[in-house]
Amino acid sequence: DVKVTQSSRYLVKRTGEKVFLECVQDMDHENMFWYRQDPGLGLRLIYFSYDVKMKEKGDIPEGYSVSREKKERFSLILESASTNQTSMYLCASSFDSYEQYFGPGTRLTVT
Amino acid sequence: AQSVSQHNHHVILSEAASLELGCNYSYGGTVNLFWYVQYPGQHLQLLLKYFSGDPLVKGIKGFEAEFIKSKFSFNLRKPSVQWSDTAEYFCAAPGGGGSNYKLTFGKGTLLTVNP
Repeated sequence: DVKVTQSSRYLVKRTGEKVFLECVQDMDHENMFWYRQDPGLGLRLIYFSYDVKMKEKGDIPEGYSVSREKKERFSLILESASTNQTSMYLCASSFDSYEQYFGPGTRLTVT
Repeated sequence: AQSVSQHNHHVILSEAASLELGCNYSYGGTVNLFWYVQYPGQHLQLLLKYFSGDPLVKGIKGFEAEFIKSKFSFNLRKPSVQWSDTAEYFCAAPGGGGSNYKLTFGKGTLLTVNP
């Protein structure tokens, strides 16, 4: 079974803080993705990576950056957290098809 | 770019009722279509997928979906829902334009099944 883990289930941060969300997958998948999930808006792609050190912007990259130094790990960085980044963040991975496997999510609250 | 429309935001049914959730996509290049489900407090998981072949796809827990190419649709069905089917359902299609396996998701349909 594919396992995608995320470093925290719940996180509370203050406005202006730098926030790191970590994601690890154990199936040697090439592709990794970060989404945010908001009620009524579904899943929106923030960034994705198709190889180590390679990244591409998704639909809503503003205010975020990513890092992929190792194949199994994909980090999402909020450079200066703002209240409008309060959301559920989902990490996913995939191999050579479009089927994605999701982690449990991190519910981030920025106060 | 791809867009995915789910017609119903919130559906409320009684147990044993039949279910059909609508999904339409806009870009027909590569047709790999998915339905994902998120049960309360759980992570998003694959319900069923269509890659090719028989347009009627069977998934887990008695769900099925029908791919109709001419209508750009991939509707989800279940003949008789149970209380445990209460969840949010997301349709997804490839992002389009040589997308490195990106998916575009619909906004989701929340299904509430009353006992």
